[in-house]
Amino acid sequence: QSALTQPASVSGSPGQSITISCTGTSSDVGGYNYVSWYQKHPGKAPKLMIYDVSNRPSGVSNRFSGSKSGNTASLTISGLQAEDEADYYCSSYTSSSTLDWVFGGGTKLTVL
Amino acid sequence: QVQLVQSGAEVKKAGASVKVSCKASGYTFTGYFMHWVRQAPGQGLEWMTWINPNSGDRNHAQNFQGRVTMTRDTSISTVYMELSRLRSDDTAIYYCARAMAGRPYDAFDIWGQGTMVTVSS
Repeated sequence: QSALTQPASVSGSPGQSITISCTGTSSDVGGYNYVSWYQKHPGKAPKLMIYDVSNRPSGVSNRFSGSKSGNTASLTISGLQAEDEADYYCSSYTSSSTLDWVFGGGTKLTVL
Repeated sequence: QVQLVQSGAEVKKAGASVKVSCKASGYTFTGYFMHWVRQAPGQGLEWMTWINPNSGDRNHAQNFQGRVTMTRDTSISTVYMELSRLRSDDTAIYYCARAMAGRPYDAFDIWGQGTMVTVSS
């Protein structure tokens, strides 16, 4: 069982917007602004899309945005495009005594 | 350009050890923490361990207590992850990933291409 909870799948049509949630605890998502989101296509390495809750690395489309409220972080993708179809993982720094970083179980985004 | 290049696929017997390398280029090796993350077939990402290449300080997830060792060779800008007492559920793709600034809690902005480790019984 992953430490952060994400929906297993979401879907949307081209041009639409979708939001993926990521729920943790006060020891991780709620306690730090070190939430990040990664896009992973099959057979490829993960790609950083959002860091520190809401910041986009250089080169990432502004269609991707992040936010956080309490123990839940969210990734929103607007103007869906076919190439957005991928798995998305959230991650957070944690004060857990057993590990420093936790990931969500991943969300499969399907562009219809 | 900034990149991480990992060593090739490995096939090991259960109980053996594996050592995967990750060579950095295009940036100051000692200025950025390095992590290892793995993904088992059909599963999600799992954080394993980090090292500060400058000091050699490191930490790992308790799940890997006593089995994982992360080292570095600053002369060749390379980090290594050794996993011992391999089990079948260690079969996974192992990624090295750079923390984007000089802090252990920074997100992972550069990833290696991944190394498939297969453990057979």
